[in-house]
Amino acid sequence: GVSQNPRHKITKRGQNVTFRCDPISEHNRLYWYRQTLGQGPEFLIYFQGTGAADDSGLPNDRFFAVRPEGSVSTLKIQRTERGDSAVYLCASSLLRQGAGGTDTQYFGPGTRLTVL
Amino acid sequence: RKEVEQDPGPFNVPEGATVAFNCTYSNSASQSFFWYRQDCRKEPKLLMSVYSSGNEDGRFTAQLNRASQYISLLIRDSKLSDSATYLCVVNVPGTYKYIFGTGTRLKVLA
Repeated sequence: GVSQNPRHKITKRGQNVTFRCDPISEHNRLYWYRQTLGQGPEFLIYFQGTGAADDSGLPNDRFFAVRPEGSVSTLKIQRTERGDSAVYLCASSLLRQGAGGTDTQYFGPGTRLTVL
Repeated sequence: RKEVEQDPGPFNVPEGATVAFNCTYSNSASQSFFWYRQDCRKEPKLLMSVYSSGNEDGRFTAQLNRASQYISLLIRDSKLSDSATYLCVVNVPGTYKYIFGTGTRLKVLA
C-alpha cells in the first residue's frame, strides 16, 4: 500500500518540516491532501509522473512538494504556523486510459502534524 | 453553494436498519463520483465508485442523479462495523482534482 512517514510530527512554530510518501509502485499519480478535524480531505497538489499537474490547492508559498523520480514524493512546509496543524494524507492512483479514464485513489495512513 | 455538500449527521440507526445518505455537488459537468469510508483516526478507504446507471456491492447501493446533481449511498441490513464517516468525492470537471465532502457520520447501535 501507500506508506507515509513520519506518522506523527510535533514541531514548534517557525520550524520547517518534511513529510515523505511512498506510493503504490505501479501508480502514476500521486496526491497530497490535508485534513482537519470534522472536515473532509482538502486537495493540495497532484503529480502526474514527475511534474506537478495541479498545485492549485497549496495554500501559500510556504508549502512545496516534489516527486523527482516519479515515485516517492516529499511535502515540505517552511516556517510552520499553528494553523498548519492537520493530518497530511498522500494518495496514489493508476489512471487507466479508456473505461472513462477515472482513477481510484488509495490513501496512506497520513502524517499528523502538530505545531506548538 | 459549496462544491460538495453532505449532511454531517450523526445518523444513529439500529442494527439491521436501512440508511441512506445523499451528497449534492455544484458543478453539473462533474464526471467522476466516489464514496469513501473513513474510520476514526484512519485514512479514507474506497467504498465504491458511482456509475451513471447505479451500482451495487453487497449491502451497498450507489446512485447518481444528474438532473438534481446528487449522489446517494444506501446501506441495507446495517452492521455495527458499518459505523464510520462516509465521504462523498466528486471530480473538478476537466481535471483529475477531487473535492471531498465533509463526510456523514454513521453510528450503528446494538
